[in-house]
Amino acid sequence: GAGVSQSPSNKVTEKGKDVELRCDPISGHTALYWYRQSLGQGLEFLIYFQGNSAPDKSGLPSDRFSAERTGGSVSTLTIQRTQQEDSAVYLCASSHRRRTGGASGGNTEAFFGQGTRLTVV
Amino acid sequence: KQEVTQIPAALSVPEGENLVLNCSFTDSAIYNLQWFRQDPGKGLTSLLLIQSSQREQTSGRLNASLDKSSGRSTLYIAASQPGDSATYLCAVRRRDDKIIFGKGTRLHILP
Repeated sequence: GAGVSQSPSNKVTEKGKDVELRCDPISGHTALYWYRQSLGQGLEFLIYFQGNSAPDKSGLPSDRFSAERTGGSVSTLTIQRTQQEDSAVYLCASSHRRRTGGASGGNTEAFFGQGTRLTVV
Repeated sequence: KQEVTQIPAALSVPEGENLVLNCSFTDSAIYNLQWFRQDPGKGLTSLLLIQSSQREQTSGRLNASLDKSSGRSTLYIAASQPGDSATYLCAVRRRDDKIIFGKGTRLHILP
């Protein structure tokens, strides 16, 4: 598709259940990001994938959260044993890779999907 | 550690006024800075991207500036309209590619 696609758009789950959130990045984008936005709050970084490199998982809040990216394209964020505090909007973004070696330029604009609103009851 | 701060947190202005939103960041070693808008219940829409080597970018009534040495960026909106009402987010891309967001400025344009 033309933009970043996330599914489902809304998810209601019972406390203790596992959920999977999906992100389809823009074709050709090697960088993929996951963020969490709680009600009325800013964007909290969760995890970042860049090509075939090891992901930066430094923002994952607990070991109940994990993410994978298959074939360098689609990504799945999994939350195990969901808690009520996991309720939030989960946003995915993708972009081209930045140029290395100190070079500037190149289109590294990040584009976001519409998000998945997760409600844990 | 990169921290991004946006001031003010909220702003209400009459329609037609020009306005400035501020963004500051603590580490000047950034790759680029991007401004987004977010409408209630929606995702983020990219407005402007400024590379670290650039001083400003313009798109229509929007102008964003970047002063990397002082760790500041401003988003200037000319001739504001009610449709400009939204939350505006500033994001810096570090050289390790992590993108860090400010908490945003909630803008309300009064008709």
